[in-house]
Amino acid sequence: NAGVTQTPKFQVLKTGQSMTLQCAQDMNHEYMSWYRQDPGMGLRLIHYSVGAGITDQGEVPNGYNVSRSTTEDFPLRLLSAAPSQTSVYFCASSYERGRAQHFGDGTRLSIL
Amino acid sequence: AQSVTQLGSHVSVSEGALVLLRCNYSSSVPPYLFWYVQYPNQGLQLLLKYTSAATLVKGINGFEAEFKKSETSFHLTKPSAHMSDAAEYFCAVSENSGNTPLVFGKGTRLSVIA
Repeated sequence: NAGVTQTPKFQVLKTGQSMTLQCAQDMNHEYMSWYRQDPGMGLRLIHYSVGAGITDQGEVPNGYNVSRSTTEDFPLRLLSAAPSQTSVYFCASSYERGRAQHFGDGTRLSIL
Repeated sequence: AQSVTQLGSHVSVSEGALVLLRCNYSSSVPPYLFWYVQYPNQGLQLLLKYTSAATLVKGINGFEAEFKKSETSFHLTKPSAHMSDAAEYFCAVSENSGNTPLVFGKGTRLSVIA
């Protein structure tokens, strides 16, 4: 049972480049979310989805896009990378929005 | 709006000593509360959760937490620290209706001294 799988694990980008962070889960969870983790800031919610075709903004959505075409996948897109987006990104899933979430291992993103 | 305050960004204990990590929450409705642990370069792993049943919740690795409504607290304890407990710990809150995402505290890094 793979759980939540994030790819890539590491990425270095130049300012202005775009990229997509992938997230897939095999637990048939309706709820999926993206967080960023920065030192001393804890985890901050970027975007979330309560089911296929439904997404909503979290606390820090600017500069990021999401879509949810299937139950399994919830990619996060950086439209034009900025150094302030250097962070560790975590994808999580659960059967319902306010319930215990299963986390992936994270993507460590550096933007130069 | 809900919020979580974790008192102490860094806690250091001796091996075998009591571990106490503090978490206070703010919620206008009955909450669900969670503790997660993060080991270096890994994702978050659920330690335990409070979902309005027993107020004393036991989790994995010998940890437990007590929900105290009057104090709006959900402190995490372990009677005897082990070197392998060194990690970062996060407290999180949501509404028990399931209508709000989890809100995380800023985390507490636990160091265990031999």
